[in-house]
Amino acid sequence: DIQMTQSPSTLSASLGDRVTLTCRASQTIRSWLAWYQQKPGKAPKLLIYKTSTLESGVPSRFSGSGSGTEFTLTISSLQPDDFATYYCQQYSSYQYTFGQGTKLEIK
Amino acid sequence: EVQLVESGGGLVQPGGSLRLSCAASGFTFSNYWMNWVRQAPGRGLEWVANIKKDGSEKYYVDSVKGRFTISRDNAKNSLYLQMNSLRAEDTAVYYCARDFYYGVMDVWGQGTTVTVSS
Repeated sequence: DIQMTQSPSTLSASLGDRVTLTCRASQTIRSWLAWYQQKPGKAPKLLIYKTSTLESGVPSRFSGSGSGTEFTLTISSLQPDDFATYYCQQYSSYQYTFGQGTKLEIK
Repeated sequence: EVQLVESGGGLVQPGGSLRLSCAASGFTFSNYWMNWVRQAPGRGLEWVANIKKDGSEKYYVDSVKGRFTISRDNAKNSLYLQMNSLRAEDTAVYYCARDFYYGVMDVWGQGTTVTVSS
């Protein structure tokens, strides 16, 4: 199965910062990558799919890029609502896998 | 309103069984693949299983193969997960999620908690 590795595990940042989260696949997944945001006690929320397509209603400060095995999620200017845990997910193979998550904390 | 509502979680002894349900509303259920995803306490997300629109194809994570069975009833707009031979490591919040694009999950339920413990 395809392993997904996210870095860093925790990121401390301030309001207004530009941050980049990284996700690496153990083998190529072309562009079949999604990003989700999860807050404590809540279900995940889809942010981006097919590497860079923004889900409807998601603010434009979120963007995704990459291909093959290396991908990034960038938040251009952190807002209070953005402090959460972010997961990448590959759907290149029938056994989908998630990364272990990056927790974005307020500095 | 598009909605998924899980039920059926609870406390079960190791080796026991449990059946989870997910009731869908606000969309044409039979038009979508559906997934189960779980999250152990303090851990990340783990995809568990998915099922084709008509139920003819099913896929599972290796750790549940032979123990869990995903199914659906399109007439009842419902998704199920039959869990047998439960282990402590199956303890988690179980979410059902709609698959809108080849594995992308755009609608999630609120989750139901399964605890496997003696």
